[in-house]
Amino acid sequence: GIQVEQSPPDLILQEGANSTLRCNFSDSVNNLQWFHQNPWGQLINLFYIPSGTKQNGRLSATTVATERYSLLYISSSQTTDSGVYFCAVEPMGGNNRLAFGKGNQVVVIP
Amino acid sequence: SAVISQKPSRDICQRGTSLTIQCQVDSQVTMMFWYRQQPGQSLTLIATANQGSEATYESGFVIDKFPISRPNLTFSTLTVSNMSPEDSSIYLCSATGGQGPLAFFGQGTRLTVV
Repeated sequence: GIQVEQSPPDLILQEGANSTLRCNFSDSVNNLQWFHQNPWGQLINLFYIPSGTKQNGRLSATTVATERYSLLYISSSQTTDSGVYFCAVEPMGGNNRLAFGKGNQVVVIP
Repeated sequence: SAVISQKPSRDICQRGTSLTIQCQVDSQVTMMFWYRQQPGQSLTLIATANQGSEATYESGFVIDKFPISRPNLTFSTLTVSNMSPEDSSIYLCSATGGQGPLAFFGQGTRLTVV
């Protein structure tokens, strides 16, 4: 099946710092989404971004489908940004079934 | 966005027993899925819940262990049968189709088997 690799696995940030999270995938995809799992376990959809660039407040994401990677940018990080960020992809013909990476564990310290 | 409610939110169960988790979506959706998240791990897809027919299971998951129902477009159940401590995980319900390909998740059911 499709492989999804996220880096770095762990990241500690000072409040106010910027960071970039990366997601590499091994095959062409119909669908790529970024999620944030907060410390209580709730998964929040951040971006649906199979290609191109999107921005939402302090977060932005870019997917280069031809090179099979996506980047999530966090600017001016806040303690509420702490949690695990997951990249999930749907391979071609995947019927909305998502394969998740192992996640980026982010801790923002005040 | 779709709102997905799961019940129970957490439970502690004895080994050998079964637990049924309910998932209710507040709007009609096309696809419903069940995922497992073992402690400190990523999410793994268990199965696609098909309305009015048998679920489609991923490799490594079987109907006898994880029977799933989906009687209508907005409701599904997952049963974890004959539980062992290895089944201790968060089980998450997901839905798509209400707003295109966006996937929404319930808050999860945190299961501990003792």
